[in-house]
Amino acid sequence: KQEVTQIPAALSVPEGENLVLNCSFTDSAIYNLQWFRQDPGKGLTSLLLIQSSQREQTSGRLNASLDKSSGRSTLYIAASQPGDSATYLCVLVGGYQKVTFGTGTKLQVIP
Amino acid sequence: DTGVSQNPRHKITKRGQNVTFRCDPISEHNRLYWYRQTLGQGPEFLTYFQNEAQLEKSRLLSDRFSAERPKGSFSTLEIQRTEQGDSAMYLCASSPNPEAFFGQGTRLTVV
Repeated sequence: KQEVTQIPAALSVPEGENLVLNCSFTDSAIYNLQWFRQDPGKGLTSLLLIQSSQREQTSGRLNASLDKSSGRSTLYIAASQPGDSATYLCVLVGGYQKVTFGTGTKLQVIP
Repeated sequence: DTGVSQNPRHKITKRGQNVTFRCDPISEHNRLYWYRQTLGQGPEFLTYFQNEAQLEKSRLLSDRFSAERPKGSFSTLEIQRTEQGDSAMYLCASSPNPEAFFGQGTRLTVV
């Protein structure tokens, strides 16, 4: 059974700081990994998708990496802004299109 | 708007009533997922369709819950005899593989 853990569970940083969110998983047989953000009471917004054959993806201030051998992915946010405050979820798609959500990291960026 | 659409966005119902939610996926996405998210928790998988076929159901989907996707396009999730514990955000996602796209969710409050 795939288990996906995100560390830290909550993070509070001053505006402008660079930060790293971690996602670890137990089964490396995955098709892809997606990072989402979720604002309070809202749905999920896709940030980055990394396919199993890729090692990283970048979009603006965001960079996500994937290391299947060690069962880890990181989301790097550069020059954080108050608008980045949200819960960040990593989501894995494995065999038979089984989707597993991580435990989430709640980020607060303080102006 | 060509994203995943969910209706209604909010639903307040009395305990014991039946409710039905609708999800319109992105056109031509053959996979459709339903998730439930309670306050402070990550989304929990409920069920998954490939076209009109319901391929997987979580044990969370009790016999009061039923989901359909009759023509392989939109899907409905019905909850019969609602209970207070059914209060949650119900999220729908569609996927052409490999990326998943989420709707904004339907927030159900059972009073």
